[in-house]
Amino acid sequence: EVQLVESGGGSVQPEGSLRLSCAASGFTFSNSWMSWVRQAPGRGLEWVAHIHPGGSQTYYVDSSRGRFTISRDNAKNSLYLQMNSLRAEDTAVYYCAAWVGQNYWGQGTLVTVSP
Amino acid sequence: DVVVTQSPLSLPVTLGQPASISCRSSQSLVKSDGNTYLHWFQQRPGQSPRRLIYKVSNRDSGVPDRFSGSGSGTDFTLKISRVEAEDVGLYYCGQTSLWPHTFGQGTKLEIK
Repeated sequence: EVQLVESGGGSVQPEGSLRLSCAASGFTFSNSWMSWVRQAPGRGLEWVAHIHPGGSQTYYVDSSRGRFTISRDNAKNSLYLQMNSLRAEDTAVYYCAAWVGQNYWGQGTLVTVSP
Repeated sequence: DVVVTQSPLSLPVTLGQPASISCRSSQSLVKSDGNTYLHWFQQRPGQSPRRLIYKVSNRDSGVPDRFSGSGSGTDFTLKISRVEAEDVGLYYCGQTSLWPHTFGQGTKLEIK
């Protein structure tokens, strides 16, 4: 059974930091492009970051570039998102998603940025 | 950035009737490899998104055959031949041809 389990969300003050993790199982993680996609309350989906299966290429949406860092550890079947200098507009549910022929999504982890 | 525009944003449908959602991109989604990376996603209330259709017209495993996708270039359509109660939710088109990957605004399907 395929599983993507996000963790690390929570409440943080503006300019604070959080590190999200995504534990993958049930598919060949090391062959999979991985993404972080977020959904602000009551809003649509927004791609945040994307990483090559080997980790050699990373892509960021403009609003996250310079503040967020996507990384992976294929030995641990894990994906990460280091988020620094958080802003109120970063408040959202953050999903990790796998792209390996099939497409898989986690259940999401909520990040709330407020004073 | 590629802007992806869906219509309608709200779609009330009678059970058993067909439904159609349009998705238009601000530029061609045909990639250099000849493929068009336009996909459709469903998000049921309280659930994570789920991909239904990949590369315009290919159904994902387990997706009922009442769902179909079509289109080319910049114009794409998702059709549901006969809407069922379990189809209620948000539908998004999304493109992965160009970075940043982008989604449409979402279409809310509800039962009349």
